[in-house]
Amino acid sequence: GNSVTQMEGPVTLSEEAFLTINCTYTATGYPSLFWYVQYPGEGLQLLLKATKADDKGSNKGFEATYRKETTSFHLEKGSVQVSDSAVYFCALRGTGGGADGLTFGKGTHLIIQP
Amino acid sequence: ETGVTQTPRHLVMGMTNKKSLKCEQHLGHNAMYWYKQSAKKPLELMFVYSLEERVENNSVPSRFSPECPNSSHLFLHLHTLQPEDSALYLCASSVSQGDWETQYFGPGTRLLVL
Repeated sequence: GNSVTQMEGPVTLSEEAFLTINCTYTATGYPSLFWYVQYPGEGLQLLLKATKADDKGSNKGFEATYRKETTSFHLEKGSVQVSDSAVYFCALRGTGGGADGLTFGKGTHLIIQP
Repeated sequence: ETGVTQTPRHLVMGMTNKKSLKCEQHLGHNAMYWYKQSAKKPLELMFVYSLEERVENNSVPSRFSPECPNSSHLFLHLHTLQPEDSALYLCASSVSQGDWETQYFGPGTRLLVL
């Protein structure tokens, strides 16, 4: 079956540091890949996505590239801010077609210190 | 504000109680989902409804009973729950064709079973 593995947190960085959160996946075919973010007390919000190999998703300074050869979708940001503190989830949707649920990683808690 | 609302936001119930969680979406979507978010575990897909028909049930115990009376509303009826059912229950919606892989999440209902 499908699975997503992402680095465990918490990850603590200083403001303006470079961020990488690793994500690898196992799936058949060509899944779509996503990063969701969950701020305290809120539901999940889509951060970015990529639907085919070598696509780069980007939003709010965050980027992730769909790497088929390494089955990875690492999240990066060049200069983090305190407001980026949240839990980040990597997820995939399989290629079964129709309405389908997402498979999530466990989430990475990111803490940015001023 | 994602256009998906959930009520109540917090719920405490005993193991013999019956309660219902409600989800409403104002996005014109026709697929809706229930997820369970427990500490230290990935989000778990529970139920999927597409065009008001259940299309997936991920081996969820019968003490959880979903209902989708129309494309805008989704309920999760709870009966004789166990303490291990305490979690954050998230509702999501999407379109069931086209760009349906983007799921929009509500803020969740935090459930505590005593």
